[in-house]
Amino acid sequence: QKEVEQNSGPLSVPEGAIASLNCTYSDRGSQSFFWYRQYSGKSPELIMSIYSNGDKEDGRFTAQLNKASQYVSLLIRDSQPSDSATYLCAVFGPSGYALNFGKGTSLLVTP
Amino acid sequence: DGGITQSPKYLFRKEGQNVTLSCEQNLNHDAMYWYRQDPGQGLRLIYYSQIVNDFQKGDIAEGYSVSREKKESFPLTVTSAQKNPTAFYLCASSRQPGQAWSYGYTFGSGTRLTVV
Repeated sequence: QKEVEQNSGPLSVPEGAIASLNCTYSDRGSQSFFWYRQYSGKSPELIMSIYSNGDKEDGRFTAQLNKASQYVSLLIRDSQPSDSATYLCAVFGPSGYALNFGKGTSLLVTP
Repeated sequence: DGGITQSPKYLFRKEGQNVTLSCEQNLNHDAMYWYRQDPGQGLRLIYYSQIVNDFQKGDIAEGYSVSREKKESFPLTVTSAQKNPTAFYLCASSRQPGQAWSYGYTFGSGTRLTVV
């Protein structure tokens, strides 16, 4: 079983702050990494993908990947109350056929 | 607009009853997936299909069955053999299986199944 680990939280940050969400994975040969946002009672929606070591920025979101450390993170700048949700890390392995998801980190942005 | 449609949104199952969850996509995606989500848990893979008339068991296939007779459709049947079926069920699709790594998934809106 390939593991994807996330801190369940809740992670609480004040509005306007940077939220940092972390994820580790066990399959060293994993190829691609995704962050999904899931509001309560809703289905996940893709917010970021990353395949190469380093940073990838998209608006207020930055994904960071370190394959040597088997670590991927998501930074949310200028956090807003509407960012309050569960963030799921998902990993696609080298011989994989489907995404393997972590349990998610609950983020709460307080006004 | 293209997307994935899951129905019904809410479903109630009596003990010993089989129920079928519908999943239809008009994205022309080859691969389709079923996941189960329990409160506070991540998504666990039930079944997946990379091509019409072919499907494979995921990590928790016991008590479930699927079919893939059409590219657009991937229904999931929750059988009476599934002893704890209450959960949120999510259907997803992706482009050609070899490209799932680059595009990720598109999800349906989910079906919430409750045993009564």
